[in-house]
Amino acid sequence: QSALTQPASVSGSPGQSITISCSGTSSDVGASNYVSWYQQHPGRAPKLLIYEVSDRPSGVSYRFSGSKSGNTAYLTISGLLAEDDADYYCYSYTTISVSTYVFGSGTKVTVL
Amino acid sequence: EVQLVESGGDLVQPGGSLRLSCAASGLTFRNHWMTWVRQAPGKGLEWVANINQDGSIQHSVDSVKGRFTTSRDNAENSVFLQMTGLRAEDTAVYFCATSTTGTSAMDVWGHGTTVTVSS
Repeated sequence: QSALTQPASVSGSPGQSITISCSGTSSDVGASNYVSWYQQHPGRAPKLLIYEVSDRPSGVSYRFSGSKSGNTAYLTISGLLAEDDADYYCYSYTTISVSTYVFGSGTKVTVL
Repeated sequence: EVQLVESGGDLVQPGGSLRLSCAASGLTFRNHWMTWVRQAPGKGLEWVANINQDGSIQHSVDSVKGRFTTSRDNAENSVFLQMTGLRAEDTAVYFCATSTTGTSAMDVWGHGTTVTVSS
């Protein structure tokens, strides 16, 4: 159960848009729409941003959006704010083992 | 307000055992799958295990199979992670989490409890 592959770091200036990729296989990201995204600030618990590929929980900013193409999922953050400086993880159901899940390797987003 | 509070983290020697607890409030606990996630120092998140609503189904990541067991007490609104044969690589902050959205995504998380395995 290897972690899904994310870029180690992505950066952008305030107001810009960035996209984080989450690369998996046909056994995880490509197997279902059970892909979600989390934001984590240092010393804090993760916060759910996106579930089922592209749905946003209530209270999450419209600036966060998700999509998927084949075995790769994407998180786009538009209109970057200083508070978006954090770690981001994708998360997917995997068919490799019954009813198990796997996180991405994590991406550090730096707002310049 | 839905809340999860973990406890039980400690410093333990390699080969030792530890039982983590997670107490839930503000939700109908017996209706929810519960999940354990861990994060080693300076590392990413790792899905560890989950348990279904009545405790009859548990799944875990290969690296803890045969060593960690998840259980729950719906009368006490609590879920537990029994850890045995602890190794240095089990050192991490352990979070419990659940979904109130009816999906697999966890929208409620505890603050975490720290397990350190060291001699």
